Amino acid sequence: AQKVTQAQTEISVVEKEDVTLDCVYETRDTTYYLFWYKQPPSGELVFLIRRNSFDEQNEISGRYSWNFQKSTSSFNFTITASQVVDSAVYFCALSGIVYNQGGKLIFGQGTELSVKP
Amino acid sequence: EAQVTQNPRYLITVTGKKLTVTCSQNMNHEYMSWYRQDPGLGLRQIYYSMNVEVTDKGDVPEGYKVSRKEKRNFPLILESPSPNQTSLYFCASSSGLAGLNEQFFGPGTRLTVL
Repeated sequence: AQKVTQAQTEISVVEKEDVTLDCVYETRDTTYYLFWYKQPPSGELVFLIRRNSFDEQNEISGRYSWNFQKSTSSFNFTITASQVVDSAVYFCALSGIVYNQGGKLIFGQGTELSVKP
Repeated sequence: EAQVTQNPRYLITVTGKKLTVTCSQNMNHEYMSWYRQDPGLGLRQIYYSMNVEVTDKGDVPEGYKVSRKEKRNFPLILESPSPNQTSLYFCASSSGLAGLNEQFFGPGTRLTVL
């Protein structure tokens, strides 16, 4: 089975704090892809990143960074020096190649991040 | 501009009144799918389509129908809506299967069934 768990339902921080959103996944696939999406209060889904299972290099994009660790089946997302505009629901998602009827994205439950001024 | 459009964006209806949510993409994508988003459950796939006239069930297909007569359009049909179908619905498209290719999501349709 494929599954994504985001254990943190809600996180609240004060502006300029660093925050890490956890994502743990399960899959039987040896080739798979991991994603993060942002859903601001307006409701649309904003694509942030896609990583494949063979690339364990951490990635940094401005204040955002991602830590992919196959050994612990985790793909955590860190926002450095958070800002009010980072307030949103963040989804981690997984897509496998073989055990994935429908080629769908398997989403976690989402983490609602609130950044207070 | 490459995009996925959905209409309507907001809809309030009553139990049993048939409705259709339209989805259209202008990127010539083969793959399209519908998801519903519910609190605490994330997004779950309802139906997907690999190409014209090829559709199949996702994880939560009960109470929904789809059709794919044209490559660009993938409407979601609720023949007899019920309150448990109150949800936020997203249409998505990609040039191939999710994971291999980036999925483009529509803006979402918020449906309330009374």
